[in-house]
This record gives sequence, C-alpha cells and structure tokens, in this order.
Amino acid sequence: GAVVSQHPSRVICKSGTSVKIECRSLDFQATTMFWYRQFPKQSLMLMATSNEGSKATYEQGVEKDKFLINHASLTLSTLTVTSAHPEDSSFYICSARGELGLAGGPDTQYFGPGTRLTVL
Amino acid sequence: QKEVEQDPGPLSVPEGAIVSLNCTYSNSAFQYFMWYRQYSRKGPELLMYTYSSGNKEDGRFTAQVDKSSKYISLFIRDSQPSDSATYLCAMVPGNTGKLIFGQGTTLQVKP
Repeated sequence: GAVVSQHPSRVICKSGTSVKIECRSLDFQATTMFWYRQFPKQSLMLMATSNEGSKATYEQGVEKDKFLINHASLTLSTLTVTSAHPEDSSFYICSARGELGLAGGPDTQYFGPGTRLTVL
Repeated sequence: QKEVEQDPGPLSVPEGAIVSLNCTYSNSAFQYFMWYRQYSRKGPELLMYTYSSGNKEDGRFTAQVDKSSKYISLFIRDSQPSDSATYLCAMVPGNTGKLIFGQGTTLQVKP
C-alpha cells in the first residue's frame, strides 16, 4: 500500500516552454501533497504544500507564478513549471500524506519516484 | 545552524558490518522521527518511523531516539551491498505536518 506515482520520470525541454508533472496516489486518498526539489548530492527542499480543493502554500523564495500547483482531486496533484529556464533543471519529487490509519502514522509522507527535468 | 544535522559521509563498510547512522537536532518541538532510504535517481522510501524515545526494531533495522539529547540513530545489522544508498533522517515539528530533512548520509556496502 501507499504507492505514489509520478509522470513523466524524465523530461527534456527547450528554454521558454512549460512542463507539467503529475503526481498520483494510487491506493490511498491523499489529503495533502507536497512538492520538493532536489539538487545533486543535496537533501530535499520543500517547494509547496497543497491540499485538495484549495490553493497551494508556497515556501519562502519559491515563485508561485513560475511553479503552478493544482490539486484537483484526492489522488492527483500537478506541478507546472512555466517558461522553464536552464536553472530550473532539477529533480522534482512529490509526496502524499494520507488519512489516519495508514501504516507509518499521520505525518508520514510517501514519495513518488521523482521527475528529472532538463531545460536546454 | 541547521535544524537537523546529518553527516553526509560517504560511509563505506564491508558487507556484514553493523552500520550506525545519526542525526542531531536543535528544535525540541520535533515530535515525530523518520528514516528514509533513497537510491540514486529515485524518490525516498520510508524505512522507519517513531514518536517516542527508545528503540524500535524492524528486521535488520533499529531506530533509536533520545529526545533528551536531541539525537536519533538508525542501525543496520548484517549490512548488504543492496543497502548502499543515501539515508535521510526526517522530523516533524509540532502539528505543521512538514518534514524537515537532514542532508542525508551516503552509505556504500562493499561485497
């Protein structure tokens, strides 16, 4: 149980284009989803928190107009990187936190496999 | 000073060794502690979680929390080459629901 998928796993795009990344909880309802960014040999940096049906809460320094987050249902959240530039190249990881009763406790986050974005 | 300190390593051990991974933290509001394992180019995978001080065992893994010293550990017994990965400690302060991660320790188990 508690499986989270991400699509695509890898994407290469040209500078100035927009890229959408999907995050799905496959076998549980995710009341909250999180989006992280990870640079090589570094830990995960939280970008934003999204709750189903409401606006995402962005961490300080994260441009909300550049990283658009939509959490349309209890199993799907999307991150759109708008007008991507080479400095946006990174590993983007989503996580989902489900309802009480899931193994791992109420604060446990289950992570997707990540999406590697390369902007040329 | 970072809220969570974790030695990035790398840590290299022979197969079969006991591995000790550690994190220290400064915020006494942390109440919930987790260890994740991350293989290269993959998302983190939950290994252990615990609320309270003391030990929690799951197979070859033991998580230890000492809240008085603000120190947590993960022990791996009979380490295997397949344990080679980055191990991240993570903590939740109060009711925020946000995970605060350590930097991660890279472990290599040599056959």
